[in-house]
Amino acid sequence: GDSVTQTEGPVTVSESESLIINCTYSATSIAYPNLFWYVRYPGEGLQLLLKVITAGQKGSSRGFEATYNKETTSFHLQKASVQESDSAVYYCALGAPPGSSGNKLIFGIGTLLSVKP
Amino acid sequence: EAAVTQSPRNKVTVTGGNVTLSCRQTNSHNYMYWYRQDTGHGLRLIHYSYGAGNLQIGDVPDGYKATRTTQEDFFLLLELASPSQTSLYFCASSVDRGRREQYFGPGTRLTVL
Repeated sequence: GDSVTQTEGPVTVSESESLIINCTYSATSIAYPNLFWYVRYPGEGLQLLLKVITAGQKGSSRGFEATYNKETTSFHLQKASVQESDSAVYYCALGAPPGSSGNKLIFGIGTLLSVKP
Repeated sequence: EAAVTQSPRNKVTVTGGNVTLSCRQTNSHNYMYWYRQDTGHGLRLIHYSYGAGNLQIGDVPDGYKATRTTQEDFFLLLELASPSQTSLYFCASSVDRGRREQYFGPGTRLTVL
């Protein structure tokens, strides 16, 4: 079936250090999946951080980047220099592209990131 | 930006109790969803709807009912709550099946004793 595997947390880094949260996916029933990173700050709901719908493309937002790699079925989230305000839970997700049947997002387990000042 | 609200934010009930979780979205989205989030699991889809009066079964529907009374309002019902339903529940909405971005509410933490 379709699934998403991501770094198990918690992940703790110091402010200004670099960050990578790994995400790999299996899309056996979706030919061209769309890939997403969502973020959940304390006390809030999930919000879209970035999305990429085309293999080989990179998405970026708020200093975070992720590249859709179809060969390695990966969509790792990276940031060169984290801030304390980046402390949150990060979710990798995949979904079927517009026009295809179904409307489901498949989420990873979420990675809790704590940034030390 | 899409606004999705949930109530209550926290709820404690006892085994066998009757619980209703409410969700409202104010951006005229057609699709609404209920998820649960448990440690070690990603968000899992319970039910979803693509319009008033419509209900679609998700991946983990057992023990849950849902009702979409209007385009704005989507309710999740636990008629005989069990401890296994202790979880963090999220509601979400999206424009249509072709737009995969979903907008989430802040969540309801439910504890079943």
